[in-house]
Amino acid sequence: AQSVAQPEDQVKVAEGNPLTVKCTYSVSGNPYLFWYVQYPNRGLQFLLKYITGDNLVKGSYGFEAEFNKSQTSFHLKKPSALVSDSALYFCAVRVRTGTASKLTFGTGTRLQVTL
Amino acid sequence: DTEVTQTPKHLVMGMTNKKSLKCEQHMGHRAMYWYKQKAKKPPELMFVYSYEKLSINESVPSRFSPECPNSSLLNLHLHALQPEDSALYLCASSPRGAGVREETQYFGPGTRLLVL
Repeated sequence: AQSVAQPEDQVKVAEGNPLTVKCTYSVSGNPYLFWYVQYPNRGLQFLLKYITGDNLVKGSYGFEAEFNKSQTSFHLKKPSALVSDSALYFCAVRVRTGTASKLTFGTGTRLQVTL
Repeated sequence: DTEVTQTPKHLVMGMTNKKSLKCEQHMGHRAMYWYKQKAKKPPELMFVYSYEKLSINESVPSRFSPECPNSSLLNLHLHALQPEDSALYLCASSPRGAGVREETQYFGPGTRLLVL
């Protein structure tokens, strides 16, 4: 089965420090990987995606992610965390189902940024 | 503009009620999705419409009935729900159809449903 895993339920960092939220994938063929963020009682907001090309993908709100084929990882990063980055982060992979495709999400990582 | 709107924001219904959730997008997207999300869990796909035709039904119970009247509108009709169906119901859309894997799905804010 094609899937993504987020090994950390929660990540805590101090404001101003770099942050990393981890994601590994298990995909046959080319992976189509996405990161979304969810603030409390809100829908999901798209941050960035990897389709092909450069391994370093830049996204919204200063986030970036590094695609590493040898380690089958797609970790989300930000050089300097903000308290407002505190939210639930989901990694996802788009997999084909018949003639359609669907997003399959990881279990989510709660990021807490403290002052 | 990447806005998907959902109404109502909140819904409380009894197990014998019939209600509907509504989702709209005016971005010309040709694929629309329904997801169910329980608290602190990832979204789970329920249905996918691509070019107004049902493409994926993830073995959802028949008490949930989707409808896509046109390319901008997606409904989810609810009947005889159970308390365990209480969740956040998210709608999403993507531009060119559900078979295009590289495309981004854009999510609405969700409808929080409570079944009593």
